[in-house]
Amino acid sequence: QKEVEQDPGPLSVPEGAIVSLNCTYSNSAFQYFMWYRQYSRKGPELLMYTYSSGNKEDGRFTAQVDKSSKYISLFIRDSQPSDSATYLCAMTLNGNNRLAFGKGNQVVVIP
Amino acid sequence: ETGVTQTPRHLVMGMTNKKSLKCEQHLGHNAMYWYKQSAKKPLELMFVYNFKEQTENNSVPSRFSPECPNSSHLFLHLHTLQPEDSALYLCASSQEAGGGYEQYFGPGTRLTVT
Repeated sequence: QKEVEQDPGPLSVPEGAIVSLNCTYSNSAFQYFMWYRQYSRKGPELLMYTYSSGNKEDGRFTAQVDKSSKYISLFIRDSQPSDSATYLCAMTLNGNNRLAFGKGNQVVVIP
Repeated sequence: ETGVTQTPRHLVMGMTNKKSLKCEQHLGHNAMYWYKQSAKKPLELMFVYNFKEQTENNSVPSRFSPECPNSSHLFLHLHTLQPEDSALYLCASSQEAGGGYEQYFGPGTRLTVT
């Protein structure tokens, strides 16, 4: 069983739609959950960061963590063409520097 | 993106060559990382340095040799690579090596081994 599962897509949506991305994981000890955004020919940049379970909202972006189901989600409301990128989920144990990444999910927002 | 810089951005090398990748962080961080990113695969952690000391080697072949002369600079020395080593090599830094510290990535070096 892979440590982190993420459907690589690609996912194409029309501008203004809601984008829904998710990852599942196998290690119940993970405590920190992150979403990175990676534009073509760039390095990943941290988009959202959540500790333990719950929701976090930042503008058009919402991150959800359900530790009981080992499932995390990222929602992008009112998607824009500039949101077209690859989104990677990542997670780590408490006090451990090793991030476990998903494969990344390519999102294309069509104008 | 200027917080972590990487050079060169692109590198083509033969299997018998020796080359080095360079990473520099301008964020005052104490931990630096090398990752390998291949198509359709998750990011793979290769090495971790915390306060210039290597704290993790994730079973990386010896043809990859890291060097961290200070907390701001990180090198990856390459020799006798294989075609399957072709990938995007990413450098990252964080305040310290530990859970909960945000990692900042550089733009990567696109390596092609011929």
